[in-house]
Amino acid sequence: EAGVAQSPRYKIIEKRQSVAFWCNPISGHATLYWYQQILGQGPKLLIQFQNNGVVDDSQLPKDRFSAERLKGVDSTLKIQPAKLEDSAVYLCASSPPSVAGGQFFGPGTRLTVL
Amino acid sequence: EDQVTQSPEALRLQEGESSSLNCSYTVSGLRGLFWYRQDPGKGPEFLFTLYSAGEEKEKERLKATLTKKESFLHITAPKPEDSATYLCAAAYYGGSQGNLIFGKGTKLSVKP
Repeated sequence: EAGVAQSPRYKIIEKRQSVAFWCNPISGHATLYWYQQILGQGPKLLIQFQNNGVVDDSQLPKDRFSAERLKGVDSTLKIQPAKLEDSAVYLCASSPPSVAGGQFFGPGTRLTVL
Repeated sequence: EDQVTQSPEALRLQEGESSSLNCSYTVSGLRGLFWYRQDPGKGPEFLFTLYSAGEEKEKERLKATLTKKESFLHITAPKPEDSATYLCAAAYYGGSQGNLIFGKGTKLSVKP
């Protein structure tokens, strides 16, 4: 079974530039999550989708971050404009309807903002 | 405030030296307690879900237990390949079903 795919794996940008991350979840997983993991911290949920609808975006900085999940499969997360404090690993995860089996994470995208 | 605290931050063991990692949680109604393993440069890998006090789950050298205030991850006779960061996360009522609060993790190093 293929895992969660993310691209790019690494990205370096200047502050005030924009950047986009892509995620392809495990086939059949209706729920998709985007997390931010700052070095030395645990992941923090940014947004959760159920199919192509938003379930929870309470911790998404909506003035600069946006996310979409078209057709209930792939998703993109965008930051515009980026700040220095956005330097982190952005993780995508997916899960089947029951979370009893946990969430399945992709390898993440490491973003460095200079 | 809902939070999850893990201790110690780092743990160094000799191969075969058993120990435990602690995860204490304060959430408004625990929906489930999750343990993940994270290797450098990779996303977290799911290990266990615990739902109620007294519950235990085992996988190879790992055993997770849950009380009303904390969870323990016991590592029996660890091997170097068990070296990783272990993350604990709580799902709580009041949050969406998938909304997990993660701790900062315990970085485990096992020396041969």
